[in-house]
Amino acid sequence: DSGVTQTPKHLITATGQRVTLRCSPRSGDLSVYWYQQSLDQGLQFLIQYYNGEERAKGNILERFSAQQFPDLHSELNLSSLELGDSALYFCASSVGTTGNSPLHFGNGTRLTVT
Amino acid sequence: AQSVTQPDIHITVSEGASLELRCNYSYGATPYLFWYVQSPGQGLQLLLKYFSGDTLVQGIKGFEAEFKRSQSSFNLRKPSVHWSDAAEYFCALSGTYKYIFGTGTRLKVLA
Repeated sequence: DSGVTQTPKHLITATGQRVTLRCSPRSGDLSVYWYQQSLDQGLQFLIQYYNGEERAKGNILERFSAQQFPDLHSELNLSSLELGDSALYFCASSVGTTGNSPLHFGNGTRLTVT
Repeated sequence: AQSVTQPDIHITVSEGASLELRCNYSYGATPYLFWYVQSPGQGLQLLLKYFSGDTLVQGIKGFEAEFKRSQSSFNLRKPSVHWSDAAEYFCALSGTYKYIFGTGTRLKVLA
């Protein structure tokens, strides 16, 4: 058990809809990262937050947004969903911001857009 | 540019055989390197990490990796593979403000 909790585990929704994925980081970790994993794109970095502030952005679409709350949990919001957004979405946490802080991953949310 | 390359997409070994998964990196300074394993339907689990010092690092589940600066490599090894090792393995590098993952190597273990 990594200590990172993601909910829900599975999500099935229709195109055009909006969903929210939730992540609780490991106790003591200040950084939260979001990744998208699909068969054709591999593991893609979306966005990182550190102690409530956005720290780095990756290949995140404008339809996607995220935030980290004062209690350090994070939410990833996906809107105007398309079929291609179907993927596994992982949250990971670490103590610091890169360097020698390994990432600890949750078990992911599997999103299916129909 | 910072990058991680895992040249082998798929590897098949027999149970009990030795294993080596390759990882090459590109980074302008001393890298922080990691190996992760992902079982089907699961998140990525940290196997081991290299920060500095001893170039041979030991991890969980009997895995080890050797950092070779001259070859820009960080290959993962295991002397004797078990059927439960079948999974996907990711090499990663900690770069500026983000982690960079390789595309993964899927390991199949034959009984």
